[in-house]
Amino acid sequence: EAGVAQSPRYKIIEKRQSVAFWCNPISGHATLYWYQQILGQGPKLLIQFQNNGVVDDSQLPKDRFSAERLKGVDSTLKIQPAKLEDSAVYLCASSLTSGKETQYFGPGTRLLVL
Amino acid sequence: AQSVTQLDSQVPVFEEAPVELRCNYSSSVSVYLFWYVQYPNQGLQLLLKYLSGSTLVKGINGFEAEFNKSQTSFHLRKPSVHISDTAEYFCAVSDNDMRFGAGTRLTVKP
Repeated sequence: EAGVAQSPRYKIIEKRQSVAFWCNPISGHATLYWYQQILGQGPKLLIQFQNNGVVDDSQLPKDRFSAERLKGVDSTLKIQPAKLEDSAVYLCASSLTSGKETQYFGPGTRLLVL
Repeated sequence: AQSVTQLDSQVPVFEEAPVELRCNYSSSVSVYLFWYVQYPNQGLQLLLKYLSGSTLVKGINGFEAEFNKSQTSFHLRKPSVHISDTAEYFCAVSDNDMRFGAGTRLTVKP
């Protein structure tokens, strides 16, 4: 089966610009996650969707980050405006449900904010 | 809320030597425990997971981990490592959402 797809793989922008990332989860997976992985750290959950509803966005900086999963399949994560500290790898993952289910990760989008 | 501590940020070992990567967690409820591996410029891949039952869990690539409830630990072991095991290893805990440790970089030297 096809894995989790993400695009773009790399993005370089200047601070205060906006950027968007796209994720296509594994077919049939109800739960979709966005993580931020800063260099030298473990992934930090930004937002979790169950179908097209938000389950957890407690660590999402809502003044600049937004995410949507309108039809319960693909998802986009947007940053507007970007700051230098947003430089990180943004990982998308999906699972059948949540909790004990294995999460399958995409290759990530590496963002550099200059 | 649950949290994960990986006690070693870097572990260098020689090829064919045994290795143990340490992980401790804290949680007020029953949790599920995972180990993921991340190769350079790739996403995370599941090595193994503990949900319930036997405390010794076997995973892919010859890795295994032991759940110790009294010590709140879930250490990862491999009896003989290969060069190809060089990667970043993440321990994670989940009740409904996943929390990852900071990672341990395993470097296998010839």
